[in-house]
Amino acid sequence: QKEVEQNSGPLSVPEGAIASLNCTYSDRGSQSFFWYRQYSGKSPELIMFIYSNGDKEDGRFTAQLNKASQYVSLLIRDSQPSDSATYLCAVNRGGSQGNLIFGKGTKLSVKP
Amino acid sequence: EPEVTQTPSHQVTQMGQEVILRCVPISNHLYFYWYRQILGQKVEFLVSFYNNEISEKSEIFDDQFSVERPDGSNFTLKIRSTKLEDSAMYFCASRESYSGPFSYNEQFFGPGTRLTVL
Repeated sequence: QKEVEQNSGPLSVPEGAIASLNCTYSDRGSQSFFWYRQYSGKSPELIMFIYSNGDKEDGRFTAQLNKASQYVSLLIRDSQPSDSATYLCAVNRGGSQGNLIFGKGTKLSVKP
Repeated sequence: EPEVTQTPSHQVTQMGQEVILRCVPISNHLYFYWYRQILGQKVEFLVSFYNNEISEKSEIFDDQFSVERPDGSNFTLKIRSTKLEDSAMYFCASRESYSGPFSYNEQFFGPGTRLTVL
């Protein structure tokens, strides 16, 4: 059973639209959740971190966590072409030394 | 701004050869990690390192792999006898501290070393 699952996409949205990215995880012991952005050939860079149920907003980004449903999402408002990248969902399982378990990522394309 | 650096950026080796991938974590960081990403696949955890010893390792991190912090700045990943399937991007990461899953303490990734095994 895959630990972190994401729709691989590609997800294509027009510039200015809201992009919605989803992630499910299998381990109920997972305690904190991350969204990373990865441009092609580059390393992951952190966008959002969430550990409480509900929404967390940071600028154009909103992370949503529902532990009962084992579901994490990322909303990107007013999408820009520069947001075009692969978005990686990652979880930090309880008891680990902070190591991250990643999903395969969703490729987002924002069309001008 | 402090950053994690990795050398070389690209390493080409023959199957069966030993390779050492080098990382310089951010200077005041205490926790170090290696991840790998096979082309088109997900980022996979290999090993975490704290207080000069391995704190956790994945199933991927078998006896062919080893890590070392030979001095106060470098953190290395050695693959003793490379296989074709070791071809991947290897990312080093570091974080300042770790006080549990609810503390915000970003794990900073280096730019990666692309390893190609022929």
